Amino acid sequence: RKEVEQDPGPFNVPEGATVAFNCTYSNSASQSFFWYRQDCRKEPKLLMSVYSSGNEDGRFTAQLNRASQYISLLIRDSKLSDSATYLCVVKGPTGNQFYFGTGTSLTVIP
Amino acid sequence: DAGVTQSPTHLIKTRGQQVTLRCSPKSGHDTVSWYQQALGQGPQFIFQYYEEEERQRGNFPDRFSGHQFPNYSSELNVNALLLGDSALYLCASSSPDSHSYEQYFGPGTRLTVT
Repeated sequence: RKEVEQDPGPFNVPEGATVAFNCTYSNSASQSFFWYRQDCRKEPKLLMSVYSSGNEDGRFTAQLNRASQYISLLIRDSKLSDSATYLCVVKGPTGNQFYFGTGTSLTVIP
Repeated sequence: DAGVTQSPTHLIKTRGQQVTLRCSPKSGHDTVSWYQQALGQGPQFIFQYYEEEERQRGNFPDRFSGHQFPNYSSELNVNALLLGDSALYLCASSSPDSHSYEQYFGPGTRLTVT
């Protein structure tokens, strides 16, 4: 079983739409969670960390459900510039290994 | 404030050859991790270096080795290249003092093995 699983999409949404991405992780002892954004043929860039209480950064909201081992990312009022691949990342409970999902592709259409 | 840098940006090698990739971490960071990203996949952890030693290793064969220098820069070496080693190799730096464990990635080296 993979450490982190994501729906690869693609998600094609119109500008202004709200879109949600989900991710599950296998190790219940994991403690740190992140969403990264990766543009085509570029490096991943940290979008936001995910905290137990949930957190918001402008149009982006991340939530963590430890009981279900589930992480989500909600993007409101989608912009064309939001088009990218969104990677769910989980830090292993011990050591310093980070596990990446395969990424979810988003295209925002004019 | 210089971010993470990697060299070269692109590389073409033949099966069986050896390759060395280089990484300089973000200013103030002393920990370097290397990842392999195949097309259409997420990055896969190769190993992490801290205080010039390999601190943790992912599920990669011994053909993959590395080194960290006193200035915190790092090298990734791959011997006996296989076609399947073609990928984007990413370096990420972080500070172990950071409780957030956030990593910052370099632009990557795109390796093609023919």
